[in-house]
Amino acid sequence: QSVLTQPPSASGTPGQRVTISCSGSTSNIGAYPVNWYQQLPGTAPKLLIYSDNQRPSGVPDRFSGSKSGTSASLAVSGLQSEDEADYYCASWDDSLNGRVFGGGTKLTVL
Amino acid sequence: QLQLRGSGPGLLKPSETLSLTCTVSGVSIRSPSYTWDWIRQPPGKGLEWIGSLYYPQSTSYNPSLKSRNTYYNPSLKSRVTLSVDPSKNQFSLTVTSLTAADTAVYYCARHSRPIRSGYFDYWDQGTLVTVSS
Repeated sequence: QSVLTQPPSASGTPGQRVTISCSGSTSNIGAYPVNWYQQLPGTAPKLLIYSDNQRPSGVPDRFSGSKSGTSASLAVSGLQSEDEADYYCASWDDSLNGRVFGGGTKLTVL
Repeated sequence: QLQLRGSGPGLLKPSETLSLTCTVSGVSIRSPSYTWDWIRQPPGKGLEWIGSLYYPQSTSYNPSLKSRNTYYNPSLKSRVTLSVDPSKNQFSLTVTSLTAADTAVYYCARHSRPIRSGYFDYWDQGTLVTVSS
């Protein structure tokens, strides 16, 4: 089991808004920033959101991140077919003294 | 421009030792602004962080000391060693006592600092390592 908990799957139709959750604890999300990575099939992960809610240059503003307490969320609005990918949250964990990833969420565009 | 390129054997036998190298171009591995990490992904599964290394600013750095300037996933720590070769701008991963469970795509990546608050901003393309007799 992953230290950070994500739903294994999420789906939506084109144009819809979808949210992916990431649940942790006071030793990780509750204490440190959360980053989100997008992994398209057969490729390396790509940074999507950093420091809870910041977008790197080049990432569409359809992607947004938020955090409250020990949980974080990634929202994708105006869903497009090219958003179909695996999404991972990540943070630091004091109990493990290391980096932790969520188990990943497969986003399907119906 | 910044690039990371991982290299190493693709097929190993159980009980053997895996050695992977990541060659960095476009930035010095000595930079105090980053850590250099390894992450792996078993086929069809999620990402697992292996460990993180940063180049120390102290001139007394000894690359043979496993515990200095490194962080390891506790579940892998007993079998994993990270090291750096600044003369070649490379960092490396060694995993001993391989089993089939170590079969995965291994990624090397750059992580911005602070160590606990940064993020992975560059990844290599990944190296598939298969452990099979």
